[in-house]
Amino acid sequence: QKEVEQNSGPLSVPEGAIASLNCTYSDRGSQSFFWYRQYSGKSPELIMSIYSNGDKEDGRFTAQLNKASQYVSLLIRDSQPSDSATYLCAVNRGGGADGLTFGKGTHLIIQP
Amino acid sequence: GAVVSQHPSWVICKSGTSVKIECRSLDFQATTMFWYRQFPKQSLMLMATSNEGSKATYEQGVEKDKFLINHASLTLSTLTVTSAHPEDSSFYICSARDFTMETQYFGPGTRLLVL
Repeated sequence: QKEVEQNSGPLSVPEGAIASLNCTYSDRGSQSFFWYRQYSGKSPELIMSIYSNGDKEDGRFTAQLNKASQYVSLLIRDSQPSDSATYLCAVNRGGGADGLTFGKGTHLIIQP
Repeated sequence: GAVVSQHPSWVICKSGTSVKIECRSLDFQATTMFWYRQFPKQSLMLMATSNEGSKATYEQGVEKDKFLINHASLTLSTLTVTSAHPEDSSFYICSARDFTMETQYFGPGTRLLVL
């Protein structure tokens, strides 16, 4: 069973601080990794994608990938109350299979 | 950016009836569409993958005769929940991409309540 693991939280972070979200995956064949943000009752929206080891920055967001450790993370700098949401880690399924495997998500709360 | 729409956004139906959900890519041609289901407090689970003009590929445990998927054009896929029962109540979300995209773009979802 291919799995994506996340700490469900809630993770509480003061406004303006850095929020750090982590994810591990079991399928070594996975090549594409995504972070989605999901507000309550809404569908996921893409925050970041990353395909190579290392860091990828986009505005206040930085995704980090370590394929050897099968670990993906998302850093949110200067956290805002509007960042409060559930963050879903998603991994493409390896071995030629299509579609994404999602983690259960981390509930992030930014405290004003 | 790529936009995906779903219709209806929510539906309430009686047990035993069938419900059709539409997923449309508005500004790109979706060679592949995916259907996911999300129960409360759970993550998204892939139900099936459909490629335009081909039969859908269903995930293990998903009944293909109950969840009928049609992807007849490059902009439209439909999911029909046949003989719906209360346990089918869930949030159904489609996503789409074309062959040039690594990323899937999600529709806004359809909330189904079966009474």
